[in-house]
Amino acid sequence: DAGITQSPRHKVTETGTPVTLRCHQTENHRYMYWYRQDPGHGLRLIHYSYGVKDTDKGEVSDGYSVSRSKTEDFLLTLESATSSQTSVYFCATNSVLAAAEAFFGQGTRLTVV
Amino acid sequence: AQSVTQLGSHVSVSEGALVLLRCNYSSSVPPYLFWYVQYPNQGLQLLLKYTTGATLVKGINGFEAEFKKSETSFHLTKPSAHMSDAAEYFCAVSETGANNLFFGTGTRLTVIP
Repeated sequence: DAGITQSPRHKVTETGTPVTLRCHQTENHRYMYWYRQDPGHGLRLIHYSYGVKDTDKGEVSDGYSVSRSKTEDFLLTLESATSSQTSVYFCATNSVLAAAEAFFGQGTRLTVV
Repeated sequence: AQSVTQLGSHVSVSEGALVLLRCNYSSSVPPYLFWYVQYPNQGLQLLLKYTTGATLVKGINGFEAEFKKSETSFHLTKPSAHMSDAAEYFCAVSETGANNLFFGTGTRLTVIP
């Protein structure tokens, strides 16, 4: 298995509080992604990174920010959590564009109450 | 723009029966196509992928898929379903040179003993 670790695996937080999810990889992959998974929507891209300090928005980026200060770590921050951000969040990595498979972490289940 | 349509959010088959999960895509350039499987409370795992070359692609666990450009389809099949195949399956598309996977909404496969 690709070495992708997400933390925490489960979190319950209150509306309006900041939340940071962490993705750590040991594969030295250049590209890293944050997706959210919701019933009826599949996986939707939040943000991605193509290198240290190089990030860009995905299709559902509103309310989220990311940072990548090291190759191995990609952080997703919800500045002020809302109930609509209750979801399962997945981190993924791959080493080259497109043709290579993406490797996924185990997911973080976030509940905003 | 890319998109993926998976027909049928739930599919039930009897153990030993043929599995057919449908996927249609749209892409303005030659696509890369993927099938991923997700077991409960786990991340996504690659089943198979099409990039170039042979249009019939074989993957893990006895699954295969055929790329049909004229039909813009990439349906997933398995001749004989096993109980262990029960999971959620996602079709995804990536355009040549792109840096993102676009996922379908998923199909949950149930295998009936």
